[in-house]
Amino acid sequence: SQQGEEDPQALSIQEGENATMNCSYKTSINNLQWYRQNSGRGLVHLILIRSNEREKHSGRLRVTLDTSKKSSSLLITASRAADTASYFCAAGTQGGKLIFGQGTELSVKP
Amino acid sequence: EAGVAQSPRYKIIEKRQSVAFWCNPISGHATLYWYQQILGQGPKLLIQFQNNGVVDDSQLPKDRFSAERLKGVDSTLKIQPAKLEDSAVYLCASSLDLSPGNTIYFGEGSWLTVV
Repeated sequence: SQQGEEDPQALSIQEGENATMNCSYKTSINNLQWYRQNSGRGLVHLILIRSNEREKHSGRLRVTLDTSKKSSSLLITASRAADTASYFCAAGTQGGKLIFGQGTELSVKP
Repeated sequence: EAGVAQSPRYKIIEKRQSVAFWCNPISGHATLYWYQQILGQGPKLLIQFQNNGVVDDSQLPKDRFSAERLKGVDSTLKIQPAKLEDSAVYLCASSLDLSPGNTIYFGEGSWLTVV
């Protein structure tokens, strides 16, 4: 399978703590995108990092990319109960396709 | 700006019946995707269109699944006959074009249960 892996599969933290999710992928990429999915909903785009970038910030999100290790991480700082969701990384390949990981289920307890 | 629209949101059918899902992408987006997401897994690409042409349908089970985008805007995904293992969320997505740096936007999904 071309799908990548995410680690951990599930993460439970307290409000105010930071949450770190890791992703590994197998294919060559042009970019890597992170998405959030609330229960019963579609995918919401969070951030895109290009293959020639190493780190990107957006609000409380920080994404890193290491193409030599084919891995990425998503850090959510000062988490809130509303951040409770599944988070997916997706490798953006030549031709505009996304190959998704299995996702990390984040639970933020108030 | 309106997002990717999908309908119906929910559908329950019996095995061997047929079902069709409709998608309207973001205005001006040339590239349209259908993904299948089985519960607990990440989405898997079924088919990718560029305007009204198929770019990649290598993962589409063509014996039962079909998709079209006749006028290069709306798209329909059909399953006939449905199997129990087709129970999943069918996500439509769109992007401006095939350029690798484009964000891909997803709809809310069509949730299919086959009983």
